[in-house]
Amino acid sequence: EAQVTQNPRYLITVTGKKLTVTCSQNMNHEYMSWYRQDPGLGLRQIYYSMNVEVTDKGDVPEGYKVSRKEKRNFPLILESPSPNQTSLYFCASSLSWGARDYGYTFGSGTRLTVV
Amino acid sequence: AQKITQTQPGMFVQEKEAVTLDCTYDTSDPSYGLFWYKQPSSGEMIFLIYQGSYDQQNATEGRYSLNFQKARKSANLVISASQLGDSAMYFCAMREDGGFKTIFGAGTRLFVKA
Repeated sequence: EAQVTQNPRYLITVTGKKLTVTCSQNMNHEYMSWYRQDPGLGLRQIYYSMNVEVTDKGDVPEGYKVSRKEKRNFPLILESPSPNQTSLYFCASSLSWGARDYGYTFGSGTRLTVV
Repeated sequence: AQKITQTQPGMFVQEKEAVTLDCTYDTSDPSYGLFWYKQPSSGEMIFLIYQGSYDQQNATEGRYSLNFQKARKSANLVISASQLGDSAMYFCAMREDGGFKTIFGAGTRLFVKA
């Protein structure tokens, strides 16, 4: 089954404790991205990657890191989480980028709470 | 800079009626794609429909259609014959051909009444 697998689904952590949210896709998609969803703000793009070893900042990259060492994996790293990073996080992938009909396939989401 | 605006935080529709969810956008790129996604209460995000800026016809996918008015920069989603399962959050999104980002609007929560 074509899918984006994101783990964990739920995570409660303490301020400053490094964490990683994993994301893996099995569709050989070139483009992967991380979003955070907050009430009233929709989805805001954190980082994206056009291919292996090619990543760039989205609109809200502060406090996050990513890597793309393999085409299928795109982990999100919070080196020192803070309470304002409490949010619902989505990983998404698409065949490529640009204006073409490349809709996203999303992971199931990770609800992160930082206390 | 690209921008997406969804002005309806919440909407109600009677079952079996049609409903239009508004989306306006702003971009300086002549080539772009517009997308709609559905987020049911279970939380997953589902891709519904796509419209390219150079497409001559409005996109349709089953009960979903996109009312694309390029001069007005609007890309409204029309759901025909609403069903209870259509109750969800709906997001409009845009991707420019000259860029790598996809931006989303704030969303519209649709409630379908029996």
